Amino acid sequence: KAGVTQTPRYLIKTRGQQVTLSCSPISGHRSVSWYQQTPGQGLQFLFEYFSETQRNKGNFPGRFSGRQFSNSRSEMNVSTLELGDSALYLCASSLELQGGDTQYFGPGTRLTVL
Amino acid sequence: LAKTTQPISMDSYEGQEVNITCSHNNIATNDYITWYQQFPSQGPRFIIQGYKTKVTNEVASLFIPADRKSSTLSLPRVSLSDTAVYYCLVGAYNQGGKLIFGQGTELSVKP
Repeated sequence: KAGVTQTPRYLIKTRGQQVTLSCSPISGHRSVSWYQQTPGQGLQFLFEYFSETQRNKGNFPGRFSGRQFSNSRSEMNVSTLELGDSALYLCASSLELQGGDTQYFGPGTRLTVL
Repeated sequence: LAKTTQPISMDSYEGQEVNITCSHNNIATNDYITWYQQFPSQGPRFIIQGYKTKVTNEVASLFIPADRKSSTLSLPRVSLSDTAVYYCLVGAYNQGGKLIFGQGTELSVKP
């Protein structure tokens, strides 16, 4: 069974631009969660989608948004990029809502904002 | 939401057994305990999950005392490739919620 895939793997943008990241979960998984990882803040939860609905949201500004499609694939969008948005963005999928359920992480998208 | 506390870093040598303890004093009745491993610039990888007593798989063992306020990940006979950051998380199955990753434990295995 294929694992979680994320595209693109690397991305360079400039301040003020917007970016869309994509995540394809493991086949049959209905939950997709997004995380931001930086050296200073560690792994921080962004949001979780389940059955095309956002179920949980972390403490990030409204510039960070996402959506999930009927095939469980998910996209994350960041508008008006700031230098501090440079990070590794990780997507994780699980069969059901996260929590005790095992999450399977993708390789991440490395975003650099110049 | 249960918070976890782990040592920031640990050193070990190849062939030794490594035990990493995680404290989760506010763990709820429905919470499971899960450990992940992460290498630099990669996504975390599931290692093991348990609810109580002891769980063992091909890579690790997880020991959970009766009060469940802590748990210990045991890695037998570590090798250089086990050098990574290890995260302990607690969360209720199928109840959603924000999973909070702590700082993790940076394990360094030396030859």
